[in-house]
Amino acid sequence: DIQMTQSPSAMSASVGDRVTITCRASQGISNYLAWFQQKPGKVPKRLITAASSLQTGVPSRFSGSGSGTEFTLTISSLQPEDFATYYCLQHNSYPFTFGPGTKVDIK
Amino acid sequence: QVQLQESGPGLVKPSETLSLTCTVSGGSISSYYWIWIRQPPGKGLEWIGYIYYSGSTNYNPSLKSRVTMSVDTSKNQFSLKLRSVTAADTAVYYCARGTVADDWGQGTLVTVSS
Repeated sequence: DIQMTQSPSAMSASVGDRVTITCRASQGISNYLAWFQQKPGKVPKRLITAASSLQTGVPSRFSGSGSGTEFTLTISSLQPEDFATYYCLQHNSYPFTFGPGTKVDIK
Repeated sequence: QVQLQESGPGLVKPSETLSLTCTVSGGSISSYYWIWIRQPPGKGLEWIGYIYYSGSTNYNPSLKSRVTMSVDTSKNQFSLKLRSVTAADTAVYYCARGTVADDWGQGTLVTVSS
């Protein structure tokens, strides 16, 4: 199985901050990487597929980049509604695997 | 937009079989992959596997010996069975459309306890 790691595991940030979350794969996955946002008690929401393709309706302050084994999710200016846990998912080879998550909370 | 709804018992006894159904509305179950994902309380997400509308499947090896997925195109439903459950199988179970989870159900909490 491909193992996914995320850093940091948690972070505190302020509204307006630029936030970067890193996801690493244990082997190359090309650009088969998705990002999800999950708020407490809510269903995960897909933000990005193919490492950098923003889903329809997702604010442009979210962006993704990377290829191979290292990927980043960037929030250019953190908004109050962005406080959540973020997960990456590799969809290059089965079984698909999620990263452990990065919790972004209010500083 | 397609909607998904999980249904099934919220409490299952240890060693028994967890059975869940996902009903798809607003679209046909045909021509898509359908998946199950679970999330233990306070923990991360685990991809359980997929079933294609034709019936082909792919399961996470960590669960493969205990999992069976099936599809009923006439009812626009697909199902998950997980045998020999333990407390470690307590989780919110989500069904979703597409192998990369395009659309999700609301999730259903299944607790394994005697």
